[in-house]
Amino acid sequence: EDQVTQSPEALRLQEGESSSLNCSYTVSGLRGLFWYRQDPGKGPEFLFTLYSAGEEKEKERLKATLTKKESFLHITAPKPEDSATYLCAVQAIGSSNTGKLIFGQGTTLQVKP
Amino acid sequence: NAGVTQTPKFQVLKTGQSMTLQCAQDMNHEYMSWYRQDPGMGLRLIHYSVGAGITDQGEVPNGYNVSRSTTEDFPLRLLSAAPSQTSVYFCASSRSRAGTEAFFGQGTRLTVV
Repeated sequence: EDQVTQSPEALRLQEGESSSLNCSYTVSGLRGLFWYRQDPGKGPEFLFTLYSAGEEKEKERLKATLTKKESFLHITAPKPEDSATYLCAVQAIGSSNTGKLIFGQGTTLQVKP
Repeated sequence: NAGVTQTPKFQVLKTGQSMTLQCAQDMNHEYMSWYRQDPGMGLRLIHYSVGAGITDQGEVPNGYNVSRSTTEDFPLRLLSAAPSQTSVYFCASSRSRAGTEAFFGQGTRLTVV
């Protein structure tokens, strides 16, 4: 069964304290892996797409990496405005007809000043 | 650019009532979908559409109907609301069904009493 697991569920950091969020996935074949940011009461906001192992994408303080079994979202020197829930989603090759995304339950990040 | 617009943002229904959640996108995307987000369960696909006039069921379609008469609009209809349909509903659109990022609306928080 296709599955996505994110860890930790919650993460509290001091401003400037770098860390990583993990997304482990099990799919029959990966079409793409997506990272989203979700603020309270808002819809998910797209961050990155990764397609193949070894691929990396960066945006400001965020860097996403991908292996054959997991993805990491590295946060360098975070600021309080980085506080949000980060969602990981995968699309399996077998779901290409439906477009279905399989979401993890998210990691809620709190960055304290 | 408005992106994906959902209305209403909040709704309270009585058990057995029906209603339509509206979704519109202005990006000329072919693929649109509806997800529900429940605590501890992540986002789950309800229905999707690969173009005007074409819709199909996702992972949790029971109790919901959709239609796609235009590229822009993809309403979700609750036929006879049940407390189990209390959730946050998100509409999303993407350029295609496979391997492209989805853009989400702001969500509709629905409570069925």
